[in-house]
Amino acid sequence: DAGVIQSPRHEVTEMGQEVTLRCKPISGHDYLFWYRQTMMRGLELLIYFNNNVPIDDSGMPEDRFSAKMPNASFSTLKIQPSEPRDSAVYFCASSSGLAGYEQYFGPGTRLTVT
Amino acid sequence: GENVEQHPSTLSVQEGDSAVIKCTYSDSASNYFPWYKQELGKGPQLIIDIRSNVGEKKDQRIAVTLNKTAKHFSLHITETQPEDSAVYFCAASIDNYGQNFVFGPGTRLSVLP
Repeated sequence: DAGVIQSPRHEVTEMGQEVTLRCKPISGHDYLFWYRQTMMRGLELLIYFNNNVPIDDSGMPEDRFSAKMPNASFSTLKIQPSEPRDSAVYFCASSSGLAGYEQYFGPGTRLTVT
Repeated sequence: GENVEQHPSTLSVQEGDSAVIKCTYSDSASNYFPWYKQELGKGPQLIIDIRSNVGEKKDQRIAVTLNKTAKHFSLHITETQPEDSAVYFCAASIDNYGQNFVFGPGTRLSVLP
């Protein structure tokens, strides 16, 4: 299996622009997670889905952030408008509820907002 | 909500020595405790986990212990090797499905040859 795939790997954008991060989970996994990692706040869960339905979005920082999962093989995290404080590494992870709790992380997207 | 603390924040050991990282959690309802290893430029990877009905688990050079009464758990790495150098994160699950993790702040382990 190719593992969790994220794109782009690096994104540099200007403040105020819209940013869309993409994730393809491992085939057969029914949970998908979006995390943000910064030096100051560590690894934070933003939102997670089960069978394409958002279960807990309490970690989404504000209305500028939105996430969708239109099907079992694709999810997006959108920031609009972006701000410099959104600069971080964003990870997508997936897991199988039947196979246990292990979450498999993607390589991450490093976002820089100038 | 759940709060996970982790110590030390950095740890340097000589190759072949043992390393111990400790975590405490606040929510007594937490029931699943994974440990993740993150190498530079990569996503975290699960190395070992333990559930609340088990006190200790071992996998080759890695072991985890859990004390539910005291609400703390520890990672033990024996016979450390340079490739063990990485950032290690502990986590605690806070929902019944074991999917909603709260991560500790991480420990940067350096194994000196």
